[in-house]
Amino acid sequence: GQNIDQPTEMTATEGAIVQINCTYQTSGFNGLFWYQQHAGEAPTFLSYNVLDGLEEKGRFSSFLSRSKGYSYLLLKELQMKDSASYLCAVLTGGGNKLTFGTGTQLKVEL
Amino acid sequence: EPEVTQTPSHQVTQMGQEVILRCVPISNHLYFYWYRQILGQKVEFLVSFYNNEISEKSEIFDDQFSVERPDGSNFTLKIRSTKLEDSAMYFCASSTDRSTGTQYFGPGTRLTVL
Repeated sequence: GQNIDQPTEMTATEGAIVQINCTYQTSGFNGLFWYQQHAGEAPTFLSYNVLDGLEEKGRFSSFLSRSKGYSYLLLKELQMKDSASYLCAVLTGGGNKLTFGTGTQLKVEL
Repeated sequence: EPEVTQTPSHQVTQMGQEVILRCVPISNHLYFYWYRQILGQKVEFLVSFYNNEISEKSEIFDDQFSVERPDGSNFTLKIRSTKLEDSAMYFCASSTDRSTGTQYFGPGTRLTVL
């Protein structure tokens, strides 16, 4: 089966750095994605890792360790607009199926 | 920037009725997907589609569901006989490449079955 775990909620302060962790156990692995989802809206793509290591993209970075089944999303210089749900998703199978975690609801406070 | 579009944004239907949800994927994308998200729950894969065939489908995608690419631009999801539990947000997505392509999501259709 497919299992993806991430914390349900996190709170952080504007201007700070926050790390959202994700662990996964899946049959097959073609890559790991992070999406941002504001309430009532579609998931929007943030980052993609297929090899071990860190991918940096502006204020957002994502790390992957395939041997540990572990990833994290790092958000720097937090802004109020970063308050959203952050979804970890693993790509598997020939049909390119994305299996999502339940999402981490991030609240950025003043 | 090209984006996936979906219509309608909201659909209300009676239980047992058929609904068709429409999507226009990004124009140079070849792989198409439907996902759903029940309120307060995680995004769930329904089906992937390539070269006019279903590539993979989930257990949710039973005989009441079907997909079609009726022309060069549209991609549709049909639910033949809706149930109360089909109430959800339905997202269409598309990608350029199967193994590494990022899936870009449309804004969704909120389906309410009464």
